[in-house]
Amino acid sequence: EDKVVQSPLSLVVHEGDTVTLNCSYEVTNFRSLLWYKQEKKAPTFLFMLTSSGIEKKSGRLSSILDKKELFSILNITATQTGDSAIYLCAVRRVASGSRLTFGEGTQLTVNP
Amino acid sequence: DVKVTQSSRYLVKRTGEKVFLECVQDMDHENMFWYRQDPGLGLRLIYFSYDVKMKEKGDIPEGYSVSREKKERFSLILESASTNQTSMYLCASSLWGTSYEQYFGPGTRLTVT
Repeated sequence: EDKVVQSPLSLVVHEGDTVTLNCSYEVTNFRSLLWYKQEKKAPTFLFMLTSSGIEKKSGRLSSILDKKELFSILNITATQTGDSAIYLCAVRRVASGSRLTFGEGTQLTVNP
Repeated sequence: DVKVTQSSRYLVKRTGEKVFLECVQDMDHENMFWYRQDPGLGLRLIYFSYDVKMKEKGDIPEGYSVSREKKERFSLILESASTNQTSMYLCASSLWGTSYEQYFGPGTRLTVT
């Protein structure tokens, strides 16, 4: 059975701090790992990672995958109150179509 | 702009009632999914569909059924609602092919009393 574990489950920081969110996985025939951000409503896509060691970056957010150690991290620098959300990690297998297995999510709260 | 809509944002039903949750996407996506989201458990897949009239069980299908009569519409049915089905229900869709990003609807918060 596929398994995705995120840590920490919740995190409270002050604006301007840098945070690192973790996602470890156990998946047969791994294909890719995806990060989503969920504010009040629908999760929105952030990154998809398929290759080890290649950083994906979007503004203050970046993510990297380590396929040998089976984990990914999501970094957010200079956090803002608008970064407060649940961050979801999901993995996909080869030949599974679009089916994803999600982790529990990390609830990030950024205080002013 | 990509859009997935769900029929209700909030729903309150009584134990034993039959409940229909509807999801519509306007992106001509082949794949559609139903998840439930509970604190500490993340998103868990209930059912998914790769095409009209096709359905596959996800990780927690017990107590649920689905219907996909048209490509754009995917319905989740609770035949006899129970209190342990109180949850946030999220629908998603995606293209079949190289893009595996799923697009989510805003969710339906269902309370069963």
